[in-house]
Amino acid sequence: KAGVTQTPRYLIKTRGQQVTLSCSPISGHRSVSWYQQTPGQGLQFLFEYFSETQRNKGNFPGRFSGRQFSNSRSEMNVSTLELGDSALYLCASSLTSGGHNEQFFGPGTRLTVL
Amino acid sequence: QQQVKQSPQSLIVQKGGIPIINCAYENTAFDYFPWYQQFPGKGPALLIAIRPDVSEKKEGRFTISFNKSAKQFSLHIMDSQPGDSATYFCAVYNQGGKLIFGQGTELSVKP
Repeated sequence: KAGVTQTPRYLIKTRGQQVTLSCSPISGHRSVSWYQQTPGQGLQFLFEYFSETQRNKGNFPGRFSGRQFSNSRSEMNVSTLELGDSALYLCASSLTSGGHNEQFFGPGTRLTVL
Repeated sequence: QQQVKQSPQSLIVQKGGIPIINCAYENTAFDYFPWYQQFPGKGPALLIAIRPDVSEKKEGRFTISFNKSAKQFSLHIMDSQPGDSATYFCAVYNQGGKLIFGQGTELSVKP
């Protein structure tokens, strides 16, 4: 069974640009969550999507947005990039939403903002 | 506001030693306590998890101890090996299914 895949694995952008990251969950998984990982702040929850609807949202500005498609694949978008957005962005999938469903993480997309 | 406090930030032990990583939480509504292991270049992977009605859980060389009254839980790694060198994160689930992570502990096991 293939794991969670994220594309691209590495990305370099400049301030003010926007970026779209993609996540393909494990087959059969319908929930996708996104996290930002930085050395200073650790792993922080961005948002969760289930059945194409945002179910949970973390404390991030509106520049961070996401969506989920009918095949459960998800994208997250960051507009007007800032230097502080440089981070590893992780996607995790689980069978369903809520409860204590195990989350399976992808390898992440390393975003560098210059 | 840090909802889960993890310590230490880094830990170095000799092969065969028993590293212990501690986490403390404030909100008694948290009801599930997993530990994740992350190797460089990889995403975190679930290692072991415990519910608050259990005081200890073992899986292989990994043990979680849980103290509900103190709102603390810890990870012990028995007979640690160099291959256990990784970053470990404690986490909590709230009843809404949101996963909140501790700051992480970088463990190095020396041969």
